[in-house]
Amino acid sequence: DIQMTQSPSTLSASVGDRVTITCRASQSISSWLAWYQQKPGKAPKLLVYEASGLESGVPSRFSGSRSGTEFTLTISSLQPDDFATYYCQQYNSYPWTFGQGTKVEIK
Amino acid sequence: EVQLVESGGGLVQPGGSLRLSCAASGFTFSSYWMIWVRQAPGKRPEWLANIKQDGSEKNYLDSLKGRFTISRDNAKNSLYLEMNSLRVEDTAVYYCAREGGRETADSWGQGTLVIVSS
Repeated sequence: DIQMTQSPSTLSASVGDRVTITCRASQSISSWLAWYQQKPGKAPKLLVYEASGLESGVPSRFSGSRSGTEFTLTISSLQPDDFATYYCQQYNSYPWTFGQGTKVEIK
Repeated sequence: EVQLVESGGGLVQPGGSLRLSCAASGFTFSSYWMIWVRQAPGKRPEWLANIKQDGSEKNYLDSLKGRFTISRDNAKNSLYLEMNSLRVEDTAVYYCAREGGRETADSWGQGTLVIVSS
């Protein structure tokens, strides 16, 4: 199975900060990488697909990028609604696998 | 609007069985692959299985070892997950999701909680 490793596990930031979350795949997954946002008691919500595609309705402050097997989710200016846990997920091959998550907390 | 509503969760003893259902609406159900994902408390989501539009192709997480079976009824716009020989470690929120045009899970239900405990 492909292992997905996210960093950091927890991130403390303030409203307006630029935030970057990294995800590394244990082998090549091309650009088959998605990012999800999850709030307590809710289902994950798709933010980014195919490494850099912004899902419809997702604010433009979210962006994704890829460099080899390393992927990045960036929030350009953190908003109050963005405090949540973020997961990366590969869908290059079965089983689809998720990173361990990054919790973005209020500083 | 895409809607996915899971049901069938609850408390079950180890070794027991449950059948989860997912009612879909707001899209042409028969045109999409569908997925089951679970999430244990405080853990990352875990992909379990998916099923092709006509049910002819299914993929499973190897560690399920034949205990879980995914199926669908396009006439009823419904997805199912039959779970047998349940273990304590199967305790989780179970989500159904649609594999949309992005080729990953683009819409999710609210989840149904399964607790395996004696």
